[in-house]
Amino acid sequence: GNSVTQMEGPVTLSEEAFLTINCTYTATGYPSLFWYVQYPGEGLQLLLKATKADDKGSNKGFEATYRKETTSFHLEKGSVQVSDSAVYFCALSPNQAGTALIFGKGTTLSVSS
Amino acid sequence: GAVVSQHPSWVICKSGTSVKIECRSLDFQATTMFWYRQFPKQSLMLMATSNEGSKATYEQGVEKDKFLINHASLTLSTLTVTSAHPEDSSFYICSAWGQGYTEAFFGQGTRLTVV
Repeated sequence: GNSVTQMEGPVTLSEEAFLTINCTYTATGYPSLFWYVQYPGEGLQLLLKATKADDKGSNKGFEATYRKETTSFHLEKGSVQVSDSAVYFCALSPNQAGTALIFGKGTTLSVSS
Repeated sequence: GAVVSQHPSWVICKSGTSVKIECRSLDFQATTMFWYRQFPKQSLMLMATSNEGSKATYEQGVEKDKFLINHASLTLSTLTVTSAHPEDSSFYICSAWGQGYTEAFFGQGTRLTVV
């Protein structure tokens, strides 16, 4: 079956530190991969996505590369800001019409100044 | 990008009453909508999938008589929590797929508190 595993949090960093949040997946076929961000008290916002192997998704300084050989989609940012503090969810879409996203458990990031 | 609007953003209701949450796709036709529930500090749990004009498909363990889902049009799905109890307090999020899109779009979520 399809599943997503992401690193447990919380992750606590100082401003301008390098961020990595690991995400691995199990899937049949050729899924699309996503990172969503959830700020306190809010809904989900799409951060970035990749639809095929070796694609790199990027947005607001965050990047993630779809690695089929390691079934991974790790999220990285070179220099985090306090405003990046949020919960980050890795998700997988089996790419079948009408099929729901499968989410990882979420990783809480806390950045201090 | 496509926009999904969820209403209300938050609601407080008395135990035993029913609450309706609306999920609208504003600028596209949503052939499929999904309803999720999120407990504090946890991930999103898929409750049900609804296709326009047909009955919703509920995930195992979700009471279909308690969580009524209606997807009456291509732009509107509703979730009604019937006879709500404090344990139903949670954050409910909808998302929608439209033909030709490669991603689902999420509503802002509804914080339900049952007192």
